[in-house]
Amino acid sequence: EPEVTQTPSHQVTQMGQEVILRCVPISNHLYFYWYRQILGQKVEFLVSFYNNEISEKSEIFDDQFSVERPDGSNFTLKIRSTKLEDSAMYFCASRGRRTYFGPGTRLTVT
Amino acid sequence: AQTVTQSQPEMSVQEAETVTLSCTYDTSENNYYLFWYKQPPSRQMILVIRQEAYKQQNATENRFSVNFQKAAKSFSLKISDSQLGDTAMYFCAFMKLSYEGDKLIFGTGTRLQVFP
Repeated sequence: EPEVTQTPSHQVTQMGQEVILRCVPISNHLYFYWYRQILGQKVEFLVSFYNNEISEKSEIFDDQFSVERPDGSNFTLKIRSTKLEDSAMYFCASRGRRTYFGPGTRLTVT
Repeated sequence: AQTVTQSQPEMSVQEAETVTLSCTYDTSENNYYLFWYKQPPSRQMILVIRQEAYKQQNATENRFSVNFQKAAKSFSLKISDSQLGDTAMYFCAFMKLSYEGDKLIFGTGTRLQVFP
């Protein structure tokens, strides 16, 4: 079965630092997403990306966040200046006929 | 805006028994998908079952089946012959059909514990 991969699996960073979370979506998919799950809470939509641009973003996805698909295979989420409340599991997903989730990156901001 | 509600924060069931998890949603859309995702302690999101709103027939995947009531906006998940490996968090999710590709909207989840 095809799979979405994410690196790193766990990232620890200090408040105010920039982090980049990386994802490799399934190769023939056209729709890409980032979701976030704070520990013990529900999964929340951050942003969707289609045709090399953001198609929708949530209120959470403020100016500190950005996404990029730099080389046609990777899909990245950058947080410019991390806050304590950014600590969460970040899931990348890609969609063809169905949505596939990556295993997630656990981000810990100290 | 669409919302998804799971009113059971926790459920438990004995191994080999049947359990039903509830989900209701609110939307003005006519064409959409509904999903159940399983999240074990590894926190991986695993698709359990999918239902297209235009299909009247309830979806079934092995021991998992749904009761989709479109008029009532209800989408429950039935797990038959529960197994210890079914212990996980279960999320109900909604997605409207959109050419641009749309987001999944999740409920708050139901923690299912299967006891031996």
